[in-house]
Amino acid sequence: QKEVEQNSGPLSVPEGAIASLNCTYSDRGSQSFFWYRQYSGKSPELIMSIYSNGDKEDGRFTAQLNKASQYVSLLIRDSQPSDSATYLCALLTLGGNQFYFGTGTSLTVIP
Amino acid sequence: GAVVSQHPSWVICKSGTSVKIECRSLDFQATTMFWYRQFPKQSLMLMATSNEGSKATYEQGVEKDKFLINHASLTLSTLTVTSAHPEDSSFYICSARRPGSETQYFGPGTRLLVL
Repeated sequence: QKEVEQNSGPLSVPEGAIASLNCTYSDRGSQSFFWYRQYSGKSPELIMSIYSNGDKEDGRFTAQLNKASQYVSLLIRDSQPSDSATYLCALLTLGGNQFYFGTGTSLTVIP
Repeated sequence: GAVVSQHPSWVICKSGTSVKIECRSLDFQATTMFWYRQFPKQSLMLMATSNEGSKATYEQGVEKDKFLINHASLTLSTLTVTSAHPEDSSFYICSARRPGSETQYFGPGTRLLVL
């Protein structure tokens, strides 16, 4: 079983809609979670991190963490064509020794 | 966010040559840097973890004699692809972790094309 699972997509949403990206993980001891965005041909860039159960909002982005159910999600409100990219979920295990990335979900926002 | 640079951004070389890629943390001292490889339309693959002043830790299946990593200072790690072959052509990305932070910040990547 992979440490981090994401649907590869592609996920398509119309401009202005909410895009919902989901990630599940297997290690209950995981403590820190990250969402990265990667445009085609570019390296990943950090969108946000989340460490506690609940929601964390940053502009149009909201990360949600549920440690009991072992999932973390990213909501993008008012999706824009410029949000079209691959979104990578990542986590750091307890002790901070292992950093795992999911395979990424490809998002396309249709104008 | 932190700034991590890589040099060069593009490399084209003949088969059999060695290529060195530099990764620098520009605004912080990074005791730990990471090297990833990404083939087209595939996910990031961690190659090795580079710790300043000690030997790198390689992931399973990564040949340490082929991918030489040197982390000689707190701001610089280098990856040398020795005797590169066409199958080594890929997008190589480094990242660095700021001390006291759990976040990894990525460099812009280096595209390697081996002819």
